[in-house]
Amino acid sequence: GAVVSQHPSRVICKSGTSVKIECRSLDFQATTMFWYRQFPKKSLMLMATSNEGSKATYEQGVEKDKFLINHASLTLSTLTVTSAHPEDSSFYICSAILAGVEQYFGPGTRLTVT
Amino acid sequence: AQSVTQPDIHITVSEGASLELRCNYSYGATPYLFWYVQSPGQGLQLLLKYFSGDTLVQGIKGFEAEFKRSQSSFNLRKPSVHWSDAAEYFCAVGSMEYGNKLVFGAGTILRVKS
Repeated sequence: GAVVSQHPSRVICKSGTSVKIECRSLDFQATTMFWYRQFPKKSLMLMATSNEGSKATYEQGVEKDKFLINHASLTLSTLTVTSAHPEDSSFYICSAILAGVEQYFGPGTRLTVT
Repeated sequence: AQSVTQPDIHITVSEGASLELRCNYSYGATPYLFWYVQSPGQGLQLLLKYFSGDTLVQGIKGFEAEFKRSQSSFNLRKPSVHWSDAAEYFCAVGSMEYGNKLVFGAGTILRVKS
């Protein structure tokens, strides 16, 4: 149980285009999901907290107009990187809370912007 | 401010040898503590967690960790390392008081030599 999926696993896009990444909790309902960014050889940096039915809460320094988060249902959150640039290339990981504080992580999405 | 310190960036151990990965935290609320493992290009897998109670917690794959409040530490141990344990290990701390957000350490890369 407690499986989280992400789609796509890898995406390459051209500079200036937008990319959507999906995060799904497959066998449980998650009122809260989180989006992280991981730079090469670095730890995870929390970008935003996504709550079903309400606006996402962004961490300091994260541009909410660039990284659009939608939590459309209890099993789906999406991250859209708008007008992507090469510096947005990164590994994006989502997580979902099953109960309390325990987070279950998706397998990640490797975004490369050319 | 909340922080997690993993002082060892890299650790190399021989297969069959014991392992201890260090984790210290600074946190302004009652902490919940986690250890995650990440293989290259993959998401995070939960090894074990501490919420309350017995300070020695058992996890998957033969790992255990001990919570020492007086030392603000949550070190991960394994008595006999297998080659498949080679990966990156992250210590994280969270709390319901801080909205269930996790703060991650920088990670420790474990190399196993045969």
